[in-house]
Amino acid sequence: KNEVEQSPQNLTAQEGEFITINCSYSVGISALHWLQQHPGGGIVSLFMLSSGKKKHGRLIATINIQEKHSSLHITASHPRDSAVYICAGGGADGLTFGKGTHLIIQP
Amino acid sequence: NAGVTQTPKFQVLKTGQSMTLQCAQDMNHEYMSWYRQDPGMGLRLIHYSVGAGITDQGEVPNGYNVSRSTTEDFPLRLLSAAPSQTSVYFCASSRVTGQYSPLHFGNGTRLTVT
Repeated sequence: KNEVEQSPQNLTAQEGEFITINCSYSVGISALHWLQQHPGGGIVSLFMLSSGKKKHGRLIATINIQEKHSSLHITASHPRDSAVYICAGGGADGLTFGKGTHLIIQP
Repeated sequence: NAGVTQTPKFQVLKTGQSMTLQCAQDMNHEYMSWYRQDPGMGLRLIHYSVGAGITDQGEVPNGYNVSRSTTEDFPLRLLSAAPSQTSVYFCASSRVTGQYSPLHFGNGTRLTVT
């Protein structure tokens, strides 16, 4: 069974800080998804990557296939970035989800 | 495009009652799925469908039924609600089946079973 581990579980930072959320995954996962869930809200897909790095605005996602590790970075963080960030590993059996990182950015 | 539409947003049921959570997408996506989200746990797959007329079980299928008579709709039925089914339910779709296609989620249904 595929596994996905996220860290940290909770993260509080000040506005403007550089944020890193980590995700480790098991053998059998070949694509990594990053999702964002705002309080009381729906879930939005941010990135899907199977190699290298992707960037969208202030968000950057990287993946190291050899180490089975992915990171989501937020540059110049803002209170509106406060949300739960979820990584999900895609394999032959579908997606396996991490438990999420609860991020709070204080003004 | 509306994307993925889920109804209702909130529902309270008594133990033993049945109900259907509706999910519709207007993106002509092949793949549709239902997840439940519980505190301290990741999203867990209940059932999924890779096309009209085809459904399969996910990780936690017991107590739930699905059908896919059209590409657009994928309702989730609770046959006899139990308190353990209190959860937030998300429907999601993607263009194709498989791990390389981003998922599009509905806004969720918060279900309480008393």
